[in-house]
Amino acid sequence: EAGVAQSPRYKIIEKRQSVAFWCNPISGHATLYWYQQILGQGPKLLIQFQNNGVVDDSQLPKDRFSAERLKGVDSTLKIQPAKLEDSAVYLCASSSQGAAGANVLTFGAGSRLTVL
Amino acid sequence: GQNIDQPTEMTATEGAIVQINCTYQTSGFNGLFWYQQHAGEAPTFLSYNVLDGLEEKGRFSSFLSRSKGYSYLLLKELQMKDSASYLCAVQKGTALIFGKGTTLSVSS
Repeated sequence: EAGVAQSPRYKIIEKRQSVAFWCNPISGHATLYWYQQILGQGPKLLIQFQNNGVVDDSQLPKDRFSAERLKGVDSTLKIQPAKLEDSAVYLCASSSQGAAGANVLTFGAGSRLTVL
Repeated sequence: GQNIDQPTEMTATEGAIVQINCTYQTSGFNGLFWYQQHAGEAPTFLSYNVLDGLEEKGRFSSFLSRSKGYSYLLLKELQMKDSASYLCAVQKGTALIFGKGTTLSVSS
């Protein structure tokens, strides 16, 4: 099966500019996640969608970050305006609930953002 | 809240056995995952434990003790390609909360 697709792979912007990342999950996966991974750290959950509804966005900095999944398939994550500390890899993941409650996430290759 | 701790770095030699420990404190627990992440790549699923005990999958095994909030990943017959970051993650609801990862360097 095709994996999780993300674009762009790399983006360099100046602080205060805006950027958008796109994700297409594995076909049939109802749940989609955006994680932020700063160099040397583990992924941090930003937002979780179930179909086109938000399940958890408690760690999304809503003053500058927004995300949508309008048709319950692909998703976009936007940052406006960007700050230096937003430099990170933005990972998209999707899942379908497995047996015995195991919720295995499949990750995309990520979008690496550098803010200058 | 949640707190997941694992060592930052470990080193080992080819052919050896290494154990990567993970301790966690969370409100809500639906299982523990281990993921492998090579530099510049996406994390990939290695193992899942929800009941106490050892799960074996080829050269990799994972252990869980829920009462102690403790897990480990055991890698046997280490190969150079095992050099990577190993991420411990707790499933809370249907989301995964990750630790900071352990960078394993395997030398010849």
